[in-house]
Parts: sequence; structure tokens; C-alpha cells
Amino acid sequence: AQKITQTQPGMFVQEKEAVTLDCTYDTSDPSYGLFWYKQPSSGEMIFLIYQGSYDQQNATEGRYSLNFQKARKSANLVISASQLGDSAMYFCAMREASGTYKYIFGTGTRLKVLA
Amino acid sequence: ETGVTQTPRHLVMGMTNKKSLKCEQHLGHNAMYWYKQSAKKPLELMFVYSLEERVENNSVPSRFSPECPNSSHLFLHLHTLQPEDSALYLCASSQDQGLGSYNEQFFGPGTRLTVL
Repeated sequence: AQKITQTQPGMFVQEKEAVTLDCTYDTSDPSYGLFWYKQPSSGEMIFLIYQGSYDQQNATEGRYSLNFQKARKSANLVISASQLGDSAMYFCAMREASGTYKYIFGTGTRLKVLA
Repeated sequence: ETGVTQTPRHLVMGMTNKKSLKCEQHLGHNAMYWYKQSAKKPLELMFVYSLEERVENNSVPSRFSPECPNSSHLFLHLHTLQPEDSALYLCASSQDQGLGSYNEQFFGPGTRLTVL
């Protein structure tokens, strides 16, 4: 069964430093997509980055990059040069190709950027 | 309006009330979703509509009743709720292109529901 695990309930990082948020997943489907979302205190989930299971290169979007290790089933989010506005909840999610519309989410990591 | 909007943003209701949550997407997407977000729990998928047809119903109690009159609008009708139904209800949309399609979801700001 699909499952997303985020083992870090909370993280601190100093402003301008890089931080890695962990995500591991479990699926038996060879084709799947992995997503990271940011949820500020306002509540809205904001899409950050996507990685497909067949993508050869790690995804990057500005200061966000995804460290995709397929054999380990991990998809860690790396935020470079952290900013105060990065303080939020971060969720890892997955969707399989098996014909369903389910996006499975992890429990999230709360990131606090320190000035 | 742009993106995904939800109304109301906050709702307090008694257990015997009937209310509705509204979601509207201005992105031309063909799939819409309702999620429930409770504290310290993963986001729970409740319902999915694709091309106005319900394609997922994730064992949600019948006191929650979805409605999708067209591809831009999604409602969640609430009646005789329980205090444990208090949560943030998020609506999302995506452009779904079938098997192997992994387009990201766009979320609304949510409705914070409190059931007394």
C-alpha cells in the first residue's frame, strides 16, 4: 500500500543556511509522482516541486531541489539560502499511476527559520 | 478571482445545523478534490470529482455530501456533524490527463470548521 513517511516533526534552520527535509515513500507501482507542498500559517497549500519516478535528474525549482534516491525510496526536499518566509509546514505527497486519483500525504515537517 | 477560492473561510456550527462549503476554481482544471486536515494527522482525501463525476469516495460518513454541478464548482454539504469533524477543509483542483498523469494540485485557502 502507498505510504509517505516524514520523520521530522519540526526543524530549525538559521537564515541563509540550507536545510533538508526528509521524505520516504512506499509503493509497489513502478510509475509514480512525488510532490512537495508548503503550508504557511494562513492554511493554503502551495506546490513547490515535482519528481517523476522515471526522471533521470533531480528536480530543481529556484531555491528548492529534490534529492531523489529511487533505490532508497526517498525524496528529500532541500531548501537553499533559507529565508524567514520559508517558515511553514512542509508536506511530501505521492500519486501512483494505478488509475486512482489519490494523492497520499505525509504528516508534515514544521520548519522554523531563525534570524 | 484567480486560483482556487473557498467560502466561507471560517464556520462555526451546531451538531443539528445544515451548512455548505463552497469551492470554485478559475484554472480550467477538470478534477476537484475535498480534503480534511486535522491536527497532527496526514491530509485525508475525502472526495474526488473528475469531469463532474465522482471517482473517489474515501469511506466518508454520509453526514458529508459532495456536489459538483460543473467543472468549476464543488460543494460539501454538511449535516448533523460531530465535534470530531472540526478541522480545516481544503479544496483542490488539478488538470488530470489520465493514467500516468502527475500534475500538481492547486489548493484553496481552506474553511476552518468548528462543530460545537
